[in-house]
Amino acid sequence: QVQLQESGPGLVKPSETLSLTCTVSGGSITDYSWIWIRQSPGKGLEWLGYIHYSGSTTYNPSLQSRVTISLDTPKNQFSLKVSSVTAEDTAVYYCARHSPNHWGDYFDYWGQGTLVTVSS
Amino acid sequence: QSVLTQPPSVSGAPGQRVTISCTGSNSNIGAGFDVHWYQQLPGTAPKLLIYGNINRPTGVPDRFSGSKSGTSASLAITGLQAEDEADYYCQSYDSSLSGYVFGSGSKVAVL
Repeated sequence: QVQLQESGPGLVKPSETLSLTCTVSGGSITDYSWIWIRQSPGKGLEWLGYIHYSGSTTYNPSLQSRVTISLDTPKNQFSLKVSSVTAEDTAVYYCARHSPNHWGDYFDYWGQGTLVTVSS
Repeated sequence: QSVLTQPPSVSGAPGQRVTISCTGSNSNIGAGFDVHWYQQLPGTAPKLLIYGNINRPTGVPDRFSGSKSGTSASLAITGLQAEDEADYYCQSYDSSLSGYVFGSGSKVAVL
């Protein structure tokens, strides 16, 4: 059974960079694509970007200038960075497995989520 | 202001059937992109419930079913149970936005 676990600071100051890591267990990170999604009361569920096991990335156009996703294959991890954060970036951040196939693009395994608050 | 519109709440008595609609447009559902549904129990992460409009992952009870027609999709829950109280979200892809879109979510209450 694939499991994902987010880790990283729960509090980030405005204008700084938010950094999170997702550790994948029960499967290899080299078999699928992996995505970051966040959830806030104001914006609901919002995808930030995803990374293919080859290392290619696709970002949400509305966030592209501030988001970076990378892979650490030996550690079976992938990471998220969001730069120049504001209070609007306060949300629960989820990592998930991205499963594009002939049934469409969906997210079949999710981490438990981690709350990140942007505040001074 | 979600791209996919869902009713904020749906309710029913135990054993009843409820449906949740997900209304999109010609740039997402109407363009032929598949719809997927997620169940989010209180305090937990979303869980995949239906993929590819109609398919249930292993372990999802057959009380849950999905359908799609035109620019809309629906999730039906038959034989409603107390454990079904949760938020439900639809998800698809939008060609105008070049990315994934989610519904605003529907809270199911079991009376």
